[in-house]
Amino acid sequence: RKEVEQDPGPFNVPEGATVAFNCTYSNSASQSFFWYRQDCRKEPKLLMSVYSSGNEDGRFTAQLNRASQYISLLIRDSKLSDSATYLCVVRSGGSNYKLTFGKGTLLTVNP
Amino acid sequence: DAGVTQSPTHLIKTRGQQVTLRCSPISGHKSVSWYQQVLGQGPQFIFQYYEKEERGRGNFPDRFSARQFPNYSSELNVNALLLGDSALYLCASSVGVAGATTYEQYFGPGTRLTVT
Repeated sequence: RKEVEQDPGPFNVPEGATVAFNCTYSNSASQSFFWYRQDCRKEPKLLMSVYSSGNEDGRFTAQLNRASQYISLLIRDSKLSDSATYLCVVRSGGSNYKLTFGKGTLLTVNP
Repeated sequence: DAGVTQSPTHLIKTRGQQVTLRCSPISGHKSVSWYQQVLGQGPQFIFQYYEKEERGRGNFPDRFSARQFPNYSSELNVNALLLGDSALYLCASSVGVAGATTYEQYFGPGTRLTVT
């Protein structure tokens, strides 16, 4: 089983649609969770950290379910500029800074 | 404020050669991590350095080595290059290990290495 698994995608949605990304992780000791976005041939950019209570940043909502080892990202009212690869990322714990990335899910928002 | 900087941007090497990649973290950040990203995959962890000491190592051969300097910049060295080393090499900066309240990492633009 892979350490971090994401929906394989790709997702193609029209502008204004709501899209959800799902992710599971295998290490129950994982302590920090993130969503990054990566544009083609660019570096990953931190989109948001994910907290146990869930968190929202504008059109983006992230949820964490530790019992199910499941992370989600919801994008509402999608824009053309949201087109990118979305990476689910997990940090194992302690003072370890190692991030484990999922393979990523490509999103294309169409006009 | 300047973000993470990496040099060079692109590099073409032949098999068997050696390469050195450089990274300068965000001002005030003391930890640097290196990742390798091959096409179609997420980044894979190679090393983490904090206060000039290696604090973590991924599943990469001994051909890969790194170091961190007193100014917190870092170099990644790869010896005896193989075709499979062709990838985007990313450097990530974070506040640091001791007393960290956040483990967020910020990536530089990367060095795209092509081995022929």
